[in-house]
Formats: sequence, structure tokens, C-alpha cells
Amino acid sequence: GAVVSQHPSRVICKSGTSVKIECRSLDFQATTMFWYRQFPKQSLMLMATSNEGSKATYEQGVEKDKFLINHASLTLSTLTVTSAHPEDSSFYICSARDVVSGGQYFGPGTRLTVT
Amino acid sequence: AQSVTQPDIHITVSEGASLELRCNYSYGATPYLFWYVQSPGQGLQLLLKYFSGDTLVQGIKGFEAEFKRSQSSFNLRKPSVHWSDAAEYFCAVGATAGNKLTFGGGTRVLVKP
Repeated sequence: GAVVSQHPSRVICKSGTSVKIECRSLDFQATTMFWYRQFPKQSLMLMATSNEGSKATYEQGVEKDKFLINHASLTLSTLTVTSAHPEDSSFYICSARDVVSGGQYFGPGTRLTVT
Repeated sequence: AQSVTQPDIHITVSEGASLELRCNYSYGATPYLFWYVQSPGQGLQLLLKYFSGDTLVQGIKGFEAEFKRSQSSFNLRKPSVHWSDAAEYFCAVGATAGNKLTFGGGTRVLVKP
């Protein structure tokens, strides 16, 4: 079946540093990937839509200069949290849309803790 | 704007008993509806989805859901729960199968022995 991986699964970083999270579609191509954020005991909120070869589309209230998204290939999208602060600590989940089937598949998530 | 409401934040059920999780949606067109399950610290697993056709949808792990257009509902059911069903359940709506999703707030299911 369609598999999406995320790396790293957990990351701890110091306040003010940047951290990059990768989302890969392992056995299918994805021109579109989505990035969601989930705070503890809360639901998933869409942050942005990542489009291969073009700029990402950010949801209202999400700072595009803080959450940098790059989708340079059909199997990889990256989310970089710049100048991270403790309030950025969250569970980040990506999903990828299969260009052939149109189905959407979720990654296992990345737990970010900013100290 | 689309929205999803899961009225029950927590549900506790005895092992072997039936389970029903409620989901109400607001959407301007025919929705694509999904139920996902999330175990603690894990990603999402798709239980089932509805696009069109038979309004009673069968999913994995013995779950089923019924789409009721008149009630804007897509409730999830399982006749007999197992301890392993303890998890967080999310209902979601999207414009297509592969489009961005709007999630409900989730329902945490606790299973008593």
C-alpha cells in the first residue's frame, strides 16, 4: 500500500534554532502534500498545502516566513520551523496525494519539542 | 466554510459493548467523508471513507459508518469493541479524496475491561 514516511519522528531543539522535517512518499508520486499541526489533546489543523515545483499555500494565520515549505521533488516535501520557540512544540503530520489514484495518505507524524 | 463537529469529547465503553461515535458536518457541496483513528503518539489510520453510493460504509477493524444527508451526519459504529479500540477517533471532510481535510475535534474512546 501507499506509504508516507516522516523524518525525524522526534526532535528536541533549543529556542531560536531551526529544525527541518521531511515528508516522503515511498511508493508513489505526490504533486501535492499537506502539513498539519496537532497540539496536545487537540485536533489536526491544516497549516499549508505544498505543491511540487511551486510555492506553498498557507492557511490563514500561519506565518509563511516561520514555517518554510519546500516541495522540490515528486516524493519529498520539507517543513522548516525557523527560529523555533516553545509555543511551536507540537505534533506535525504530513499527508501526500497520490497523483495516480488521487488518494491521500498520512505520515506517522513528527513530535517537535522546543526547549 | 466547511466544518466538522464531534459532540462527544470522551466516551467510555465496556469491552464487548457496542460503540457509536457521532459526527456532524457542514459543507456546501457533496462531501467526501472520512473516519480516522489515532493511537497515542501515532499518526492517523484510515478506518473508512464515503464518497457516494451505498450510505452504509464498511471499514477496517469491524467499523462501519452511515451517511445521512438529511441530518448532515456520518456516525461511526462498531457492534462489539475490543480493548485495542481505545484511541482517538477523528471525523474529517474534504472536497475530494485527495484534497485538504477539515477535521473534527476528535473523540477519545476508553474501553473498560
